[in-house]
Amino acid sequence: EAQVTQNPRYLITVTGKKLTVTCSQNMNHEYMSWYRQDPGLGLRQIYYSMNVEVTDKGDVPEGYKVSRKEKRNFPLILESPSPNQTSLYFCASSFPDGHRTGELFFGEGSRLTVL
Amino acid sequence: RKEVEQDPGPFNVPEGATVAFNCTYSNSASQSFFWYRQDCRKEPKLLMSVYSSGNEDGRFTAQLNRASQYISLLIRDSKLSDSATYLCAVNRGDYKLSFGAGTTVTVRA
Repeated sequence: EAQVTQNPRYLITVTGKKLTVTCSQNMNHEYMSWYRQDPGLGLRQIYYSMNVEVTDKGDVPEGYKVSRKEKRNFPLILESPSPNQTSLYFCASSFPDGHRTGELFFGEGSRLTVL
Repeated sequence: RKEVEQDPGPFNVPEGATVAFNCTYSNSASQSFFWYRQDCRKEPKLLMSVYSSGNEDGRFTAQLNRASQYISLLIRDSKLSDSATYLCAVNRGDYKLSFGAGTTVTVRA
């Protein structure tokens, strides 16, 4: 079954405690991206990756890091989480051939609370 | 001004009705457009892609107006199962996708 898998799905943590949200896709997609979703603000892009070892900032990259060492995996790292990073996070993937970049497959989401 | 703006609604319509709503975008260089459906904070799922003037898939029709920089989504013969939030997404041409905050549709029996 084609899917994007995120873990953990739910996490409550404290300010400053480093955490990683994993994302894995089994569709051989080159393009992967992370979004956060907050009420009234919609989905905002954090980072994206066109392929292995190629990553770039989205619209709200501050406080986040990513890596793309393998095609299937694109972890999101919060080195020192803060309460304003409390959000619903989605990982997504697609083929990066122009238009189809926008035909995203999303993971089920990771709800993160930073106290 | 936000890159992509949507009327948040909610649009509350009876079963069988037609409902339509728009999404405006600010970047005239935008290349392609998408409608996603999102149920109750679950993951968004692609409903329709719009690459030219419009697209139709069953009861759903999307139309693009490049001159006025908006895309619309029309749902005919609404079903209870159409109740969801509909997200508009715009590909700005630089592999970045901008999303609107969504339009909530509630179909009542």
